[in-house]
Amino acid sequence: AQKVTQAQTEISVVEKEDVTLDCVYETRDTTYYLFWYKQPPSGELVFLIRRNSFDEQNEISGRYSWNFQKSTSSFNFTITASQVVDSAVYFCALSGVGGSQGNLIFGKGTKLSVKP
Amino acid sequence: DADVTQTPRNRITKTGKRIMLECSQTKGHDRMYWYRQDPGLGLRLIYYSFDVKDINKGEISDGYSVSRQAQAKFSLSLESAIPNQTALYFCATSDLRDSRRTGELFFGEGSRLTVL
Repeated sequence: AQKVTQAQTEISVVEKEDVTLDCVYETRDTTYYLFWYKQPPSGELVFLIRRNSFDEQNEISGRYSWNFQKSTSSFNFTITASQVVDSAVYFCALSGVGGSQGNLIFGKGTKLSVKP
Repeated sequence: DADVTQTPRNRITKTGKRIMLECSQTKGHDRMYWYRQDPGLGLRLIYYSFDVKDINKGEISDGYSVSRQAQAKFSLSLESAIPNQTALYFCATSDLRDSRRTGELFFGEGSRLTVL
């Protein structure tokens, strides 16, 4: 069975601090996709990144970076120099390929509060 | 205008009432999904559809039904609403044809349903 665990329910930081959101997944598939979505207080879901299981390169996009390690089944998300606008719930998700593409298994989310 | 539109955005109803949540999309995607979000539980898949003639149950389909009236429309029905169906419901689409976005879901803005 597939499962995504986000052990951190809530994190609170002060602006400009770096923060890492943890994500651990379980799957028997050899090929799969991992995702991060952001849900700001307004409620919409914003896509942040997709990672293919064959691509273990870390990725950086501005203040955001992602560390994918198959050996530990982890796909962690780091925000550098956090800002108040980063306050949101962040979801990690997993999907298979082929017929199960789009059938995302979500973690329970981590609520990040960035205080000025 | 949003590419994935959900109506109504908010609805309060009573136990036993029939409720329909509607979703329409202008993205031309074949796949459509209904997810449910509960606080602290993340998002869970209710139903998904690969095309007009293909409907599939997700993780938590009991108490729900769906109808894919056209490629662009996917409705979720609660035949007899109960209080534990109070949740935020999201419709989503995905496009298998775009390999750059495999598995990525495009979400509507959500429909908040309260069952009293």
